[in-house]
Amino acid sequence: DTGVSQDPRHKITKRGQNVTFRCDPISEHNRLYWYRQTLGQGPEFLTYFQNEAQLEKSRLLSDRFSAERPKGSFSTLEIQRTEQGDSAMYLCASSLAGHRGYTFGSGTRLTVV
Amino acid sequence: AQSVAQPEDQVNVAEGNPLTVKCTYSVSGNPYLFWYVQYPNRGLQFLLKYITGDNLVKGSYGFEAEFNKSQTSFHLKKPSALVSDSALYFCAVSGSGNTGKLIFGQGTTLQVKP
Repeated sequence: DTGVSQDPRHKITKRGQNVTFRCDPISEHNRLYWYRQTLGQGPEFLTYFQNEAQLEKSRLLSDRFSAERPKGSFSTLEIQRTEQGDSAMYLCASSLAGHRGYTFGSGTRLTVV
Repeated sequence: AQSVAQPEDQVNVAEGNPLTVKCTYSVSGNPYLFWYVQYPNRGLQFLLKYITGDNLVKGSYGFEAEFNKSQTSFHLKKPSALVSDSALYFCAVSGSGNTGKLIFGQGTTLQVKP
């Protein structure tokens, strides 16, 4: 296992379309995090899972956003009815519960046109 | 509320000179502090962390950071900068809760010139 994988690396979509991103964490990691990073800013927490349970969601995660981790392994982040303000880098990270700090994936860059 | 401040948008140093990238934090309880580096169009790479113990923490690629509780700071340092160190650096803090959620600073661009 070489690390956290995210797919796709880049996504260009038209405003109003739905998009889905996938994250495959390090296999033995039971925690998975999603962050969003806009240009010139640090990453902002969106949500996290421990195993399959979604334990916390940021207020940044509007009703158009949904995340799942159905079997406690990979996770998906879906954005419905995309808006130009959704353009950002979406970062996934994983860790073991109780461990401080985690491993990030390379991110998915979303551009909404 | 937890917060992190990186007061410098950009730090410029000459290759071979020492570098410092500043970070101050605000958190209730014991802080857990991190530095990450980001290269263009890439995710974040872990450099080092402070959990407990010695105030001077050594990390990857020759970087180190000094935890100063009284000044609530966690500055990143390197004795001799390399051109390849040029990148975007993020300081982050996690509070004593169990979520592991990180609060990041806005980042500091390090430019090392030959």
